[in-house]
Amino acid sequence: LAKTTQPISMDSYEGQEVNITCSHNNIATNDYITWYQQFPSQGPRFIIQGYKTKVTNEVASLFIPADRKSSTLSLPRVSLSDTAVYYCLVVMDSNYQLIWGAGTKLIIKP
Amino acid sequence: GAGVSQSPSNKVTEKGKDVELRCDPISGHTALYWYRQRLGQGLEFLIYFQGNSAPDKSGLPSDRFSAERTGESVSTLTIQRTQQEDSAVYLCASSLVTGATYEQYFGPGTRLTVT
Repeated sequence: LAKTTQPISMDSYEGQEVNITCSHNNIATNDYITWYQQFPSQGPRFIIQGYKTKVTNEVASLFIPADRKSSTLSLPRVSLSDTAVYYCLVVMDSNYQLIWGAGTKLIIKP
Repeated sequence: GAGVSQSPSNKVTEKGKDVELRCDPISGHTALYWYRQRLGQGLEFLIYFQGNSAPDKSGLPSDRFSAERTGESVSTLTIQRTQQEDSAVYLCASSLVTGATYEQYFGPGTRLTVT
C-alpha cells in the first residue's frame, strides 16, 4: 500500500522558486499523483496532477522521475499569498483509494 | 455553476447529542468524499460514495459515524452520541471520476464543536 511522506514545514522568500518533494515508495503502476493547497479556514484546492515526467499549468509544475517513487511540486516566484499547507495525494486507480500526505506548511517571508 | 456547499458552517453541540451534517455536491459529480480535519492536522478520510456502488466506509472511526447519499445528490454525515474528540472540521468533496482527472472540489467545511 502506498504511503506518502512530505516535509512538515518549509520557509522561503518572495520571488524564489519553491520545491516540495513527496515520497511515495510503493506507488502502483496506474496510480496518479495530485497536489492540493489549503489556506486557513478553507477546504483544499486542487493544484496539479500527474502520472510521469513533467506537468505544468498556470500555477505550478510537477516533476515525477521515471521510478515514480517521489514527486516534486514546484512553485515559481512565490509571493506572500502562497503561504499555505500543501498536500500530496496518491490516487489508487484500481479502487480510487486515497493516500494523503500529512501536509507541508509553507511560509513565505517578505 | 455553484461549488460544493456544506451546512451548517458551524455547529456547537453538547456531548452525547446526535448531529447531522449536510453536503451538496457539484451537479453531475458521481463521487463524494467526507473527511475530518482536526485543528492543525491533515485530512482524515472517512467515507467515499461512487454512483450506485456500495460506499467505501473504511475510514469511519467508529459505529457512531454513518453517512448516506441518495443517488448522485446530497449526502448527510451523522455522528451519534457525540464525544469531545469528535470536535473538528468536517469537509466534503465531490469529483467526476473519468480516469482523466482526479480533481476533488472541496466545500468550505462544517466546524463541529462538542462541549
